[in-house]
Amino acid sequence: DTAVSQTPKYLVTQMGNDKSIKCEQNLGHDTMYWYKQDSKKFLKIMFSYNNKELIINETVPNRFSPKSPDKAHLNLHINSLELGDSAVYFCASSHQAGEPYEQYFGPGTRLTVT
Amino acid sequence: QKEVEQDPGPLSVPEGAIVSLNCTYSNSAFQYFMWYRQYSRKGPELLMYTYSSGNKEDGRFTAQVDKSSKYISLFIRDSQPSDSATYLCAMSGGSSGDKLTFGTGTRLAVRP
Repeated sequence: DTAVSQTPKYLVTQMGNDKSIKCEQNLGHDTMYWYKQDSKKFLKIMFSYNNKELIINETVPNRFSPKSPDKAHLNLHINSLELGDSAVYFCASSHQAGEPYEQYFGPGTRLTVT
Repeated sequence: QKEVEQDPGPLSVPEGAIVSLNCTYSNSAFQYFMWYRQYSRKGPELLMYTYSSGNKEDGRFTAQVDKSSKYISLFIRDSQPSDSATYLCAMSGGSSGDKLTFGTGTRLAVRP
């Protein structure tokens, strides 16, 4: 009964490939997020969706495209992967927009680009 | 200068010690202040959040916010080896809306 789950947990791929990361939450939350944590452990928001609508879109290369098929799922597709994309990507969810203070994070997807 | 500054540590204390973790910030519009704990190779786990200034206690953990000084703290009483983790502060509010701005985290080691 994991609250926020992500697949895959580890992803190793070569430069130039396209890959996707999936996220699902069973908390009944309306809002979901994607974060990137770099090698120095700095956690930075990338995107947020509220009930399938994009509400936060930080300065992220347009090679990154989020997609929310329903409010329980938020996927992240990355085109033309680069070495600098290597990081841990976390999905999170919160009850609803305007209540970001209780965000629940998934276990992370460790992406390594070679 | 980063919006949220946090000493990366590492901070090493003996079991049973009182631990003080701190963050400073520059955006006076922040209203919500959170503390997350992150074990190695795991996702951040919310410990507690505080709205505006004041204190909040939850078991061995106490969060303090001083908006006038733009300074927040997390105190851990009777620290345990299981408290060894990275502690991240995060903030939101004002024009940043739902966006959480994180500190870089402080690595804590509690020695048995």
